[in-house]
Amino acid sequence: GQNIDQPTEMTATEGAIVQINCTYQTSGFNGLFWYQQHAGEAPTFLSYNVLDGLEEKGRFSSFLSRSKGYSYLLLKELQMKDSASYLCAVRDLFSGGYNKLIFGAGTRLAVHP
Amino acid sequence: EAQVTQNPRYLITVTGKKLTVTCSQNMNHEYMSWYRQDPGLGLRQIYYSMNVEVTDKGDVPEGYKVSRKEKRNFPLILESPSPNQTSLYFCASNHRGQSTDTQYFGPGTRLTVL
Repeated sequence: GQNIDQPTEMTATEGAIVQINCTYQTSGFNGLFWYQQHAGEAPTFLSYNVLDGLEEKGRFSSFLSRSKGYSYLLLKELQMKDSASYLCAVRDLFSGGYNKLIFGAGTRLAVHP
Repeated sequence: EAQVTQNPRYLITVTGKKLTVTCSQNMNHEYMSWYRQDPGLGLRQIYYSMNVEVTDKGDVPEGYKVSRKEKRNFPLILESPSPNQTSLYFCASNHRGQSTDTQYFGPGTRLTVL
């Protein structure tokens, strides 16, 4: 089966750096996505990793290690507006088709002044 | 503007009263999907559609129906809603077949079944 784990909650200070970890177990891994979701709103795409290594996009970076089933999302220069839930999602080719994403429960990040 | 729209955004209903949540996308996406989101459980896929007239069950299909008569529309039907279907529902769409394709989500429908 599939399993995706990420911490339930994290807190950080404005201007700081925070790392949100995600571990996964899937049989047909074909890519990992990170989404940001503000309370009551739709998830919005942040990053995509399919090969090992770091993908950087402005203040946000995402890392993937396929051998370890591990990813992290790194947020730098935190701003108050970064307070949101961060969802880790894995594409698993063996669980319902090419487009099927399996989501973790999300990590709720609170940024304090 | 490229978008996924859902209606209604909020709905309070009673057990057993049939309802439909509409979903429409203007990006000519082949793939559409419905999710429900509950605290501590994350997004769970209810049904998905690979293209017109092609639908299949996701992880939690019980109590739901869908149809895909046109490419842009993918309504979610609750024939006899029950309180355990109280949840936040999202429709999503994406192009099929490109590895980098992300899913675009609608704004969500908050459903309460009394």
